[in-house]
Amino acid sequence: AQKVTQAQTEISVVEKEDVTLDCVYETRDTTYYLFWYKQPPSGELVFLIRRNSFDEQNEISGRYSWNFQKSTSSFNFTITASQVVDSAVYFCALRDNYGQNFVFGPGTRLSVLP
Amino acid sequence: DAGITQSPRYKITETGRQVTLMCHQTWSHSYMFWYRQDLGHGLRLIYYSAAADITDKGEVPDGYVVSRSKTENFPLTLESATRSQTSVYFCASSEDGSSEQYFGPGTRLTVT
Repeated sequence: AQKVTQAQTEISVVEKEDVTLDCVYETRDTTYYLFWYKQPPSGELVFLIRRNSFDEQNEISGRYSWNFQKSTSSFNFTITASQVVDSAVYFCALRDNYGQNFVFGPGTRLSVLP
Repeated sequence: DAGITQSPRYKITETGRQVTLMCHQTWSHSYMFWYRQDLGHGLRLIYYSAAADITDKGEVPDGYVVSRSKTENFPLTLESATRSQTSVYFCASSEDGSSEQYFGPGTRLTVT
């Protein structure tokens, strides 16, 4: 069975601090896909990034970066120089190779204080 | 407008009534999904569909029925609503079996 764990339930930081959100996953598949989504206070779910299991390159997009390590089954998300607008719940998700099973972690609520 | 839409956005109904939540996407995505989001449970998959006329159960399908006669529509029906079905329901679609999902705005359903 697939599982996604986000051990940090809530994180609070002060604006301009860097923050890392942890994601650990479990799967027996050799091919799978990992995702991060953002849910701001307005409630919508916003796609941030997709990574397949064969691509372990880290990715940077502006203030956001992702560290994928198969050896530790982790796909961590770092926000550099956080801003108040980054306050949201962030979900890590895992999709299997057959496209059917899409499992979300419980989410991490990030509060960025001015 | 292009995208994925849900209707209604808010619904209050009584226990025992039938309710249908609508989902429509304009991308011709193959896959569509229904989730419910509750405090303490995150997002849980109710049903998904890989293509028109193909549907399958997710983690929490009991009490729900889906259909997909057209690629763009994926309605979710609560045949006899219960208070435990009070939740926010999200519809999503993805282009294929490996792509990211794009979510609708959600429907907040209250069962009294």
